Amino acid sequence: QQPVQSPQAVILREGEDAVINCSSSKALYSVHWYRQKHGEAPVFLMILLKGGEQKGHDKISASFNEKKQQSSLYLTASQLSYSGTYFCGTETYSGTYKYIFGTGTRLKVLA
Amino acid sequence: NAGVTQTPKFQVLKTGQSMTLQCAQDMNHEYMSWYRQDPGMGLRLIHYSVGAGITDQGEVPNGYNVSRSTTEDFPLRLLSAAPSQTSVYFCASSENPGTDGYTFGSGTRLTVV
Repeated sequence: QQPVQSPQAVILREGEDAVINCSSSKALYSVHWYRQKHGEAPVFLMILLKGGEQKGHDKISASFNEKKQQSSLYLTASQLSYSGTYFCGTETYSGTYKYIFGTGTRLKVLA
Repeated sequence: NAGVTQTPKFQVLKTGQSMTLQCAQDMNHEYMSWYRQDPGMGLRLIHYSVGAGITDQGEVPNGYNVSRSTTEDFPLRLLSAAPSQTSVYFCASSENPGTDGYTFGSGTRLTVV
């Protein structure tokens, strides 16, 4: 099953913060985060490996809790350019390693 | 570097027709995958490959075939197109998904009438 993301959609004003969650029913070995602008391909933002690490990319950071099989993406002081759909990508193992994506979160930042 | 190149960008098929979506990458990546993207469904894995000669099914493989004879190419074949296969198809590659992200092609928008 696809990892479930929440919320499904969020609208922010410039400068506001947001959190996007990604939850899986299967054990996770790594978590990726991507952003997709309308009509474009997804673009890789960051990867998190086991160990509960946090990573940052500009004012976007993320955490990974492998025990809870969850990851969260934190967008701080959002900018207009943050608008798009965010996907988590997870590597799971069921005989072979498969790479599947979450259901997506649509984020719109208003001026 | 061109990255991941998908052709065609747009295609309209009649029900029952077959076709091949092309995907090529010039980064010498071992891992390649095909995804379809439908509104509200996110990206769903169709087939993937961990190297030349090795392929496996993803979440939604029915109606699609793949092969990987070279590291560079990973074509996706629709055997007998159905309206349910109307979607945007993305090909992606990675050196190692465990440590690196996937690079996506620009996508193929397929309509089956």
